[in-house]
Amino acid sequence: SQTIHQWPATLVQPVGSPLSLECTVEGTSNPNLYWYRQAAGRGLQLLFYSVGIGQISSEVPQNLSASRPQDRQFILSSKKLLLSDSGFYLCAWSPPSGLNEKLFFGSGTQLSVL
Amino acid sequence: AQSVTQLGSHVSVSEGALVLLRCNYSSSVPPYLFWYVQYPNQGLQLLLKYTSAATLVKGINGFEAEFKKSETSFHLTKPSAHMSDAAEYFCAVTGGATNKLIFGTGTLLAVQP
Repeated sequence: SQTIHQWPATLVQPVGSPLSLECTVEGTSNPNLYWYRQAAGRGLQLLFYSVGIGQISSEVPQNLSASRPQDRQFILSSKKLLLSDSGFYLCAWSPPSGLNEKLFFGSGTQLSVL
Repeated sequence: AQSVTQLGSHVSVSEGALVLLRCNYSSSVPPYLFWYVQYPNQGLQLLLKYTSAATLVKGINGFEAEFKKSETSFHLTKPSAHMSDAAEYFCAVTGGATNKLIFGTGTLLAVQP
């Protein structure tokens, strides 16, 4: 069966510090991978998605970047965090074949930038 | 471009009462629509999805939703609320050549005893 791991679960970082959130998927090959952010009082916003190694699409201009160094690994990064980067970050995956398949979400990372 | 609007960020019902969570969508292509639920301190789970088959979709835990093209709506209902239904519910839309889900802002459902 497929599983998705996301860590850390919680993170408190000072403004200006770097960020690295990691997500890995097991039990499937060539998944589509996604990073979403859920800010307090707001909905889920798609940040990045990837259909393959090294292929990253950015949905909104921001202070964050994403990388996919391996087929089942998706990393969310920042060189210098801003206060506005605080939020709940969710990694997700979907099967590579077929369109509009449902997403499978990780358990999320609560990021607080102070 | 696609979007969803969820009316009411907070909904409170009594245990045993009808649950109605509203979602309206906008899409330039035939939409696929989803409802996700997020229980406290957990990730998101799929409740149900509409993918152009039957307009009335039944999901888990007794929830169902009806796709109404004329009203551009996909409201979520449950005949009788249970305390365990307390959670945040997200409506989402996707369509076209990508698999990107666009989420609404969420509705927090409280169930009173």
